[in-house]
Amino acid sequence: DIQMTQSPSSLSASVGDRVTITCQASQDIGNYLNWYQQKPGKAPKLLIYDVSNLEIGVPSRFSGGGSGTDFTFTISSLQPEDIATYYCQQYDNLPYTFGQGTKLEIK
Amino acid sequence: EVQLVQSGGGFIQPGGSLRLSCAASGFTVSINYMSWVRQAPGKGLEWVSVIYRDGATYYVDSVKGRFDISRDNSKNTLYLQMNSLRVEDTAVYYCARGRDNWDNWGQGTLVTVSS
Repeated sequence: DIQMTQSPSSLSASVGDRVTITCQASQDIGNYLNWYQQKPGKAPKLLIYDVSNLEIGVPSRFSGGGSGTDFTFTISSLQPEDIATYYCQQYDNLPYTFGQGTKLEIK
Repeated sequence: EVQLVQSGGGFIQPGGSLRLSCAASGFTVSINYMSWVRQAPGKGLEWVSVIYRDGATYYVDSVKGRFDISRDNSKNTLYLQMNSLRVEDTAVYYCARGRDNWDNWGQGTLVTVSS
């Protein structure tokens, strides 16, 4: 199975900060990577698909990049409503696998 | 509006069976890929199963031979039949539309396996 490693596991930042999360795959997954946001008690929400494509309705402060084994997720200016846990997910091979999550908090 | 409404979770003893349901509205289940994803308490997300438009099914190794994904086209509903349940199957189970990315999710249903 492909292992997805996110860092950091948790992150505390101030409103307006630029925040970056990294995700590393255990093997080359090309561009087969998505990012999800999950708020407590809620289902995950797809934010970015195919590395860098914003899902409809997702604010432009969210962005993604990378290819192969190394990927990034960035919030350009952190807003209070962005407090959540973020997951990367690969779909190059079954079983599809997720990173362990990055819990984002407001400082 | 696309909506997925789940039912069928609960408390079950190890070795028991449960069937989860996911009723869809706003789109047709039979012409979409549909998946199940679970989340153990306080843990991350785990993909469980997918059913393709042509009916092909795939599972994570830990549930192969015990879980069965299916759909009822007349009811526009997705199912997950879970047999021989283990303590480690305890999780919130989500149905979701899609094969390799999931743009619409059910509300989740908690399955607790415990003696």
